[in-house]
Amino acid sequence: DGGITQSPKYLFRKEGQNVTLSCEQNLNHDAMYWYRQDPGQGLRLIYYSQIVNDFQKGDIAEGYSVSREKKESFPLTVTSAQKNPTAFYLCASNGDRGRPDTQYFGPGTRLTVL
Amino acid sequence: GDSVTQMEGPVTLSEEACLTINCTYTATGYPSLFWYVQYPGEGLQLLLKATKADDKGSNKGFEATYRKETTSFHLEKGSVQVSDSAVYFCALIPANQAGTALIFGKGTTLSVSS
Repeated sequence: DGGITQSPKYLFRKEGQNVTLSCEQNLNHDAMYWYRQDPGQGLRLIYYSQIVNDFQKGDIAEGYSVSREKKESFPLTVTSAQKNPTAFYLCASNGDRGRPDTQYFGPGTRLTVL
Repeated sequence: GDSVTQMEGPVTLSEEACLTINCTYTATGYPSLFWYVQYPGEGLQLLLKATKADDKGSNKGFEATYRKETTSFHLEKGSVQVSDSAVYFCALIPANQAGTALIFGKGTTLSVSS
């Protein structure tokens, strides 16, 4: 089955620690995205990548970092510089021929800072 | 910049009631418009979309019509079920920018009781 996987589903972090969220897709999509979801806030874009070895900051990139060394992988690191990291993080991808504007989402990772 | 505004929830309905969730947008040209649904604890799933004026997207009994004159894309369903309980997001991709990130509304929570 083609799709997007995110791991882990739940993640707990102590203040001051960096943590990396995994996102993998086997859809052969070029573009991948990270969104943050907070209650009542909708989804806000953190980073996106339209091709391997290239990525762009979104609206709320401060305190986050990414890499795109492989087409199928787009990990997100939440650094200690992110002041309020507790949230639900969603990864997405798109790139279907004929439907370039349709994004597919992973199941999400819920990060809690203790 | 481009933006999406949708009605605040929660929306509480009895089974078989009619549903309308309002969505309006601000954008130049003809953006692509989407409705996504999020079931509890899960990622987002594409519900329907429309890419040009007067297009009607439909899926699982839900419909929405792209109205350029009112810059709206309201979600409707004639008879809701308990299984429709979820959070619904209206979103757009700016005109001529397929492959870029979605711009989301804040989401509307629907709760359907039997």
